[in-house]
Amino acid sequence: AQKVTQTQTSISVMEKTTVTMDCVYETQDSSYFLFWYKQTASGEIVFLIRQDSYKKENATVGHYSLNFQKPKSSIGLIITATQIEDSAVYFCAMRDSAGNKLTFGIGTRVLVRP
Amino acid sequence: EAAVTQSPRNKVTVTGGNVTLSCRQTNSHNYMYWYRQDTGHGLRLIHYSYGAGNLQIGDVPDGYKATRTTQEDFFLLLELASPSQTSLYFCASKDRANTEVFFGKGTRLTVV
Repeated sequence: AQKVTQTQTSISVMEKTTVTMDCVYETQDSSYFLFWYKQTASGEIVFLIRQDSYKKENATVGHYSLNFQKPKSSIGLIITATQIEDSAVYFCAMRDSAGNKLTFGIGTRVLVRP
Repeated sequence: EAAVTQSPRNKVTVTGGNVTLSCRQTNSHNYMYWYRQDTGHGLRLIHYSYGAGNLQIGDVPDGYKATRTTQEDFFLLLELASPSQTSLYFCASKDRANTEVFFGKGTRLTVV
């Protein structure tokens, strides 16, 4: 069975700085997909960025990037030049190659202070 | 972008009551999901479906039924609601080929 663990429950940073969130995962599959989602204050959940396990290059989208360390089963999310609107809960998720289930971590709450 | 619409957005029911949560997606996605979100647990999968008439068991299915009547519509049924089912419920969908999942805005259910 898959498992996704986010150990940081909350992080507080100053605006315009960089925040890094951790996520480790467990899977028996050789091929899998990793995702980060953002839940805004209104409750809306939006997709941010994805890493396919067979790709060595870290994914980057806008000011979001990933630190994929496959030997450590780790997929960290890095947000650079944070803005107030980056304040949200961030979920790490995993999907295996065989099925179509997404397994989520419990989330990390980020507060960006002015 | 895919549209996933949930109704109602808020619902209060009594213990033992019968509740149906509705979800419609308008992008002809094959897969639809029901999740519940609780503090300390994140998002947990209740049931999912890969097409009309299909139902797959998720990770926390006890006390829930679901039915996919059409490609667009997926319903979550609580036939004997209990206070432990008080939660925020999310519906989601995705295309067979596209691994990105799109979420609805959620339904807050309170069982008193």
